[in-house]
Amino acid sequence: ILNVEQSPQSLHVQEGDSTNFTCSFPSSNFYALHWYRWETAKSPEALFVMTLNGDEKKKGRISATLNTKEGYSYLYIKGSQPEDSATYLCAFYPFMNTGFQKLVFGTGTRLLVSP
Amino acid sequence: ETGVTQSPTHLIKTRGQQVTLRCSSQSGHNTVSWYQQALGQGPQFIFQYYREEENGRGNFPPRFSGLQFPNYSSELNVNALELDDSALYLCASSWGPDDRDTQYFGPGTRLTVL
Repeated sequence: ILNVEQSPQSLHVQEGDSTNFTCSFPSSNFYALHWYRWETAKSPEALFVMTLNGDEKKKGRISATLNTKEGYSYLYIKGSQPEDSATYLCAFYPFMNTGFQKLVFGTGTRLLVSP
Repeated sequence: ETGVTQSPTHLIKTRGQQVTLRCSSQSGHNTVSWYQQALGQGPQFIFQYYREEENGRGNFPPRFSGLQFPNYSSELNVNALELDDSALYLCASSWGPDDRDTQYFGPGTRLTVL
């Protein structure tokens, strides 16, 4: 059974703080890692798809890094704003000899940004 | 560009009943994946449909079944509902079956089984 772990489970920061969360996944059989932002009562929104060791992706104030050798990805938010309040999900896509498996999600990090 | 839509938004059923959930994929997408999110957990993969054929299945019993139509919209059917089937059901569409492709999610259907 493949396990994807996210930490912390929840985070409460003040507006303007920078923050980061971790997604840990099995380092063997890596194929891709997805990050999603999920605001309450909305659809999960794709942030990044990361495929190469050392990948760094950026979208506005949000960036992500990937280390496939040690099995982790960091998501950073610079200068958090109240509209960044959401659950951030990562999903691991392994490659198996028997064929591709499907996305395995973590349980998410819930971020609350107070004004 | 129309996003992914799901219907209904909420549904209440009783144990033993059957339910059908619907998903309209984003324009141009030929692949739909279904996920179940139970309380406190991440989404769990149920199955994927690519060009009207099942293309992979997660660890769910056969009473979870699906269909994809020629317009690439999809249905999830659950027979003999159990209390543990209470969850948020998400569908996601993508340009193809490779999970390196970005998946575009709908808002989900909240199913409550009493």
